[in-house]
Amino acid sequence: AQSVTQLDSHVSVSEGTPVLLRCNYSSSYSPSLFWYVQHPNKGLQLLLKYTSAATLVKGINGFEAEFKKSETSFHLTKPSAHMSDAAEYFCAHNNAGNMLTFGGGTRLMVKP
Amino acid sequence: DTGVSQNPRHKITKRGQNVTFRCDPISEHNRLYWYRQTLGQGPEFLTYFQNEAQLEKSRLLSDRFSAERPKGSFSTLEIQRTEQGDSAMYLCASSLLQLAGGVTQYFGPGTRLTVL
Repeated sequence: AQSVTQLDSHVSVSEGTPVLLRCNYSSSYSPSLFWYVQHPNKGLQLLLKYTSAATLVKGINGFEAEFKKSETSFHLTKPSAHMSDAAEYFCAHNNAGNMLTFGGGTRLMVKP
Repeated sequence: DTGVSQNPRHKITKRGQNVTFRCDPISEHNRLYWYRQTLGQGPEFLTYFQNEAQLEKSRLLSDRFSAERPKGSFSTLEIQRTEQGDSAMYLCASSLLQLAGGVTQYFGPGTRLTVL
């Protein structure tokens, strides 16, 4: 069975400092992996996706993620946090093009 | 706006009432998905359609839940005899089935259901 684990339920950073949101997955085959962001009372917005091309994936708003098969990880990073980055972030795994399996989410807080 | 739209955005109902939500996908997308998200959790898959065919419905939470996509365009999700535990955000997503490059799902803003 496929699963996604987000290792931190809450992450707090200061504005201008790096962001690291951690995601591990389990899958019996080569996965498609995604990061979505959700602002309060809003739907999910796609940040980036990995689909077996380059292992370093660049997304919107300066975010990027690196697929590491040996570590079964797909961590999300950003060099410098902005106040507007404060939101809930979800890592997800795609099951053969059908359902997405989501992690439990990481709430990112950005302090001024 | 060419994104996924959902109506209504908010629904408050009394326990035992039936509710229906609508989702309009991105126009050229042939797949449509429904998810439920409870407070503090990630979305949970419910069902999906390819065109008008419902290809997976075993994840619907009970027989009180049903979904349709009669003409392969918009979809409705109905919950009969609502219970307080049905209170959640109901998310719709759509995608275009492609042979390469993976399938990316684009989400609507959701319908927040509150059952009193």
